[in-house]
Amino acid sequence: ELKVEQNPLFLSMQEGKNYTIYCNYSTTSDRLYWYRQDPGKSLESLFVLLSNGAVKQEGRLMASLDTKARLSTLHITAAVHDLSATYFCAGTTGSQGNLIFGKGTKLSVKP
Amino acid sequence: EPEVTQTPSHQVTQMGQEVILRCVPISNHLYFYWYRQILGQKVEFLVSFYNNEISEKSEIFDDQFSVERPDGSNFTLKIRSTKLEDSAMYFCASSERGLQFKQFFGPGTRLTVL
Repeated sequence: ELKVEQNPLFLSMQEGKNYTIYCNYSTTSDRLYWYRQDPGKSLESLFVLLSNGAVKQEGRLMASLDTKARLSTLHITAAVHDLSATYFCAGTTGSQGNLIFGKGTKLSVKP
Repeated sequence: EPEVTQTPSHQVTQMGQEVILRCVPISNHLYFYWYRQILGQKVEFLVSFYNNEISEKSEIFDDQFSVERPDGSNFTLKIRSTKLEDSAMYFCASSERGLQFKQFFGPGTRLTVL
């Protein structure tokens, strides 16, 4: 059974600083996804990582995948307040790509 | 840009009542999913649906739950006899081709069971 663990669960950052969110998963996952959720809102897809060594970047966010270590990271560069949200990673199980989510990392970026 | 829509946005019901949550997936998508999120907790997979039948379901998706695609556009989740612990945000998602493609989530229906 696939289990997904994120750390930290809470992250308070200052604007301009860098930080990394870690996502470990317990068994083979065909894909690794990162989603963002603003309070009271739905989930917005950020990245889909398809293979070992995959790296994707969008703005101040960069995600990577190491399938051998069963680890994905979401790196935040020079954080800004707009990045404040909860970030979820998810692995897939089953032939239809059912997502198994981590508990989420609540990121708060302060001036 | 096409999006997944869900109705109602908020549903309040009495324990033991039946509720139907509705979703309209993106039109050319073939795979449909329901997830739920209890307040402040992680998102949990309920069920996936493809080719007019359930593909996979989680332990949460017991006999009280059912899904249906009654016409070419709607995708519904029915809870036959609601319990207090069914109170959660329910998200519908759809995907063009399942495993290979990302899932687009709807805005969610907040279900409150009293």
